[in-house]
Amino acid sequence: DAGVIQSPRHEVTEMGQEVTLRCKPISGHNSLFWYRQTMMRGLELLIYFNNNVPIDDSGMPEDRFSAKMPNASFSTLKIQPSEPRDSAVYFCASSLADQPQHFGDGTRLSIL
Amino acid sequence: AQKVTQAQTEISVVEKEDVTLDCVYETRDTTYYLFWYKQPPSGELVFLIRRNSFDEQNEISGRYSWNFQKSTSSFNFTITASQVVDSAVYFCALSEAQLQGAQKLVFGQGTRLTINP
Repeated sequence: DAGVIQSPRHEVTEMGQEVTLRCKPISGHNSLFWYRQTMMRGLELLIYFNNNVPIDDSGMPEDRFSAKMPNASFSTLKIQPSEPRDSAVYFCASSLADQPQHFGDGTRLSIL
Repeated sequence: AQKVTQAQTEISVVEKEDVTLDCVYETRDTTYYLFWYKQPPSGELVFLIRRNSFDEQNEISGRYSWNFQKSTSSFNFTITASQVVDSAVYFCALSEAQLQGAQKLVFGQGTRLTINP
């Protein structure tokens, strides 16, 4: 079975540019999560959706970050404009009901 | 607020030694879940185990075992007869039981385990 699929795997861009990260959850899963991993802050939850509806976005750092889930099989995390401090590994995870979350391989983002 | 503490930042042992990774948590919830995830050098996060707060039975899976003690708010992870392939960063995590089912994970800072041949 296909796991959580994230794209791109690596992204390098200059500050000020718009960055879009993509995630395809495991088919049938009804919850989707976006996490960020940095050396300073570790793994932190940014936002999660349940049945395509954003439930908790309290972890989104600021207005430059936005996330959408237009349907059950696709989600995006957008940063506009990007800044060097946004450099991190961004993980998407999905789960079914209260079952454990399964993570994608992550997107390594570097903002120059 | 929920909090997970993994006091051991890095551990290095020689292959075949047993090693225990410590995890201490804080929560005001009576119903919660505890997790361990493994992050190998390739970077992905691999789910290892979940326990709920009502089940304090220890769990063993091959060379891996977990000891959950509510009295000390700990959920420790032991690898017996460690192997080089066990080298990874290990994360302990906590979530409260959500009405809608989805569980928000709060992660510890991770323990980097290096198994030397």
